[in-house]
Amino acid sequence: QKEVEQDPGPLSVPEGAIVSLNCTYSNSAFQYFMWYRQYSRKGPELLMYTYSSGNKEDGRFTAQVDKSSKYISLFIRDSQPSDSATYLCAMSVSTGGFKTIFGAGTRLFVKA
Amino acid sequence: DADVTQTPRNRITKTGKRIMLECSQTKGHDRMYWYRQDPGLGLRLIYYSFDVKDINKGEISDGYSVSRQAQAKFSLSLESAIPNQTALYFCATSDSQGGRTEAFFGQGTRLTVV
Repeated sequence: QKEVEQDPGPLSVPEGAIVSLNCTYSNSAFQYFMWYRQYSRKGPELLMYTYSSGNKEDGRFTAQVDKSSKYISLFIRDSQPSDSATYLCAMSVSTGGFKTIFGAGTRLFVKA
Repeated sequence: DADVTQTPRNRITKTGKRIMLECSQTKGHDRMYWYRQDPGLGLRLIYYSFDVKDINKGEISDGYSVSRQAQAKFSLSLESAIPNQTALYFCATSDSQGGRTEAFFGQGTRLTVV
């Protein structure tokens, strides 16, 4: 079993839809939870970062962490064609990027 | 200019050839990483380095070697390339200070071994 499981999709939604992206994990020691966005032919870029449980909101994006269920989510409201990308969840035990474990990534297509 | 620069961006090589991928960074970070990305498998860590004198194997180091020539430079070598090393390779950096856990990635090198 992989430490981090993420449905690779692809996920196709119409513009304006609410998008839900999810990951599950098995290592209860993870404390830092990240979402990276990767556009085609580019490297991943950090989108959001959460420590421990709870919610974090940044504009149209909301990250949720449920440590009791070992489940994290990223919600995108009012999705735009420019949100079309691959979204990778990532988790680590400690800071400084040390031994970050990445999910496989979910490809998202937002149709205009 | 990009903060993390990888060269080359694309490379096609033959089985058995030695190839080096190079990475340089201007972020001043002490930690550098090499990952490979394969469809359905995500990013997997090959090697990482916490400073010039520190090299550590990652999840999938067999068939690869690295050199940290300076704080800003970290190269990945495939001593004898094989077709299943065809993948997208990323260099990344991170800062050990500040309590953040963000990694900064280069643009990637698409390697094809034929």
